[in-house]
Amino acid sequence: DIVMTQSPDSLAVSLGERATINCKSSQSVLYTSNSKNYLAWYQQKPGQPPKVLIYWASTRESGVPDRFSGSGSGSDFTLTISSLQAEDVAVYYCQQYLSPLSTFGQGTKLEIK
Amino acid sequence: EVQLVESGGGLVQPGGSLGLSCAASGFTFSTYWMSWVRQAPGKGLEWVASINQDGNEKYYVDSVKGRFTISRDNSKNSLFLQMISLRAEDTAVYYCARAPYGSGSCYYMDVWGKGTTVTVSS
Repeated sequence: DIVMTQSPDSLAVSLGERATINCKSSQSVLYTSNSKNYLAWYQQKPGQPPKVLIYWASTRESGVPDRFSGSGSGSDFTLTISSLQAEDVAVYYCQQYLSPLSTFGQGTKLEIK
Repeated sequence: EVQLVESGGGLVQPGGSLGLSCAASGFTFSTYWMSWVRQAPGKGLEWVASINQDGNEKYYVDSVKGRFTISRDNSKNSLFLQMISLRAEDTAVYYCARAPYGSGSCYYMDVWGKGTTVTVSS
């Protein structure tokens, strides 16, 4: 199975500042045949189901604010929130879907400093 | 409106059985891969099982193989998860989730239900 490891486990950032969350996979999730990274990012607010933010490592889901961006390739990925808003307080998860046996990272809790 | 609504959760004793359902609406259910994802109390997300459009291709996380069965009824726009030999570690909120249109067996989830809670305890 592909193991996904996020860092840090928790993060406190001031409003308007940049937040960066990292995700590392135990093996590459880049499928060379189509040059796509099978990596998604989700946001989960308390009491709510997850919501997809980013897929194919860097494609923003429709309706997601452009302050959210994804980058990286192979085994190392980053979710960046360029200017933190109060409504961004949540737990963020990465997910690999290269394999039908999908796996998630352990989550990163983002709070306001 | 695209919607997934789970039901069937509850309290069950260790070793017991339970069946979950997910009612889909607002899209052509029969043309999408579907999954179950769970979240233990205070923990992260764990993909549990997936099923293709026809129901003849299924995948399971190792920890539930032989105990859980995913199925679907396209005529009723419904997804199911039958769970037997339940353990305390199966306690979680169970989410029904959809793959994007045109996905194969490898996909992220673009639509999620609100979840149903399963508690395994004596």
